[in-house]
Amino acid sequence: ETGVTQSPTHLIKTRGQQVTLRCSSQSGHNTVSWYQQALGQGPQFIFQYYREEENGRGNFPPRFSGLQFPNYSSELNVNALELDDSALYLCASSSKLAGGTDTQYFGPGTRLTVL
Amino acid sequence: QKEVEQDPGPLSVPEGAIVSLNCTYSNSAFQYFMWYRQYSRKGPELLMYTYSSGNKEDGRFTAQVDKSSKYISLFIRDSQPSDSATYLCAVDRLAFGKGNQVVVIP
Repeated sequence: ETGVTQSPTHLIKTRGQQVTLRCSSQSGHNTVSWYQQALGQGPQFIFQYYREEENGRGNFPPRFSGLQFPNYSSELNVNALELDDSALYLCASSSKLAGGTDTQYFGPGTRLTVL
Repeated sequence: QKEVEQDPGPLSVPEGAIVSLNCTYSNSAFQYFMWYRQYSRKGPELLMYTYSSGNKEDGRFTAQVDKSSKYISLFIRDSQPSDSATYLCAVDRLAFGKGNQVVVIP
């Protein structure tokens, strides 16, 4: 286990509704990234938060928004849900180092179904 | 053109065989190349990452990067049924391939 937890594990919503997904990062990690993984696809980068600020965003519309809290936990909010938003939402935490790369640790994901 | 291309076809091999997986990427500026393993109903876990062209070994796993042809590979020697999973390549942590589902048959 990576120490990254996500809640809830499963969620069913209807079109037009709003959803909030939560992620607790691994102890000592100050960076959280969110990914969307549709069935049979690789994860698609949504955005990253570093020290409570958005630090990069993928090709997702503004109805996808996020927050990072002082304890480095994070939320992903999706407004006006569409059927295509049905996917596994993954959170990954890491620790930004000066230069070089950092290892991302993924949580188990939240499976969102939009009906 | 997608940043990372990975032929998503499933792969079935007998136990003990060598598994060979590969991806191509489009941007020569990419610096870090990763392979992740994802079991069903779990998040991806990092298997290996490389920074430069060449080979990197870790037990039964070898990652290979050829920056001149923008090609990355993963080889699994002496494959075991426990290796059955989806394998995802990624570049610079942000762009993932579609993944290959690997089944190792006992």
